[in-house]
Amino acid sequence: DTGVSQDPRHKITKRGQNVTFRCDPISEHNRLYWYRQTLGQGPEFLTYFQNEAQLEKSRLLSDRFSAERPKGSFSTLEIQRTEQGDSAMYLCASSLTPKPLEQFFGPGTRLTVL
Amino acid sequence: GQQVMQIPQYQHVQEGEDFTTYCNSSTTLSNIQWYKQRPGGHPVFLIQLVKSGEVKKQKRLTFQFGEAKKNSSLHITATQTTDVGTYFCAGPGGNAGNMLTFGGGTRLMVKP
Repeated sequence: DTGVSQDPRHKITKRGQNVTFRCDPISEHNRLYWYRQTLGQGPEFLTYFQNEAQLEKSRLLSDRFSAERPKGSFSTLEIQRTEQGDSAMYLCASSLTPKPLEQFFGPGTRLTVL
Repeated sequence: GQQVMQIPQYQHVQEGEDFTTYCNSSTTLSNIQWYKQRPGGHPVFLIQLVKSGEVKKQKRLTFQFGEAKKNSSLHITATQTTDVGTYFCAGPGGNAGNMLTFGGGTRLMVKP
């Protein structure tokens, strides 16, 4: 399967702990996006990369969140000092430039903060 | 900032009935995309509309982009149980339009 993959699929953690998620995009896609989705809502943009450069971050993204895409392939999203409000589905998507931009989503990582 | 709104939030239909969801943006859009998310699944791209007044069809699904490029609709004819899921519209957002701003979605439930 050459779709977008994410790991882990589920993560349960205690408040205050750090967590890290991984996303592997479709191999030839140069753009990679992170979204957060809570129950009954649409995906909310967090950040995106073009190759290894992080080009945009949402103003909603607190400084506890950091994302990397060191070699322009896979990406990691780290949340430090997790809070209960961080509980959500974290979705990764990838696309191939130029515009228009159909995005291919991965299965997501469901985070539960106790 | 840009806002994308969808109505209705939920829709229950009997199998065979038609269904329509409406999407409105607070700003003019260069294009609009539609995604479907099955229960427990992830968003899957359905279609993109670019031109003012554009209408595209995919089997029983008809997508329209408004003349002012601020609204869009998705109409499903003769719904089937396989149509169950949440339908999202999304417009380009962010500084350079390179990310998507999603609407809240319309959850479609189909009674067999």
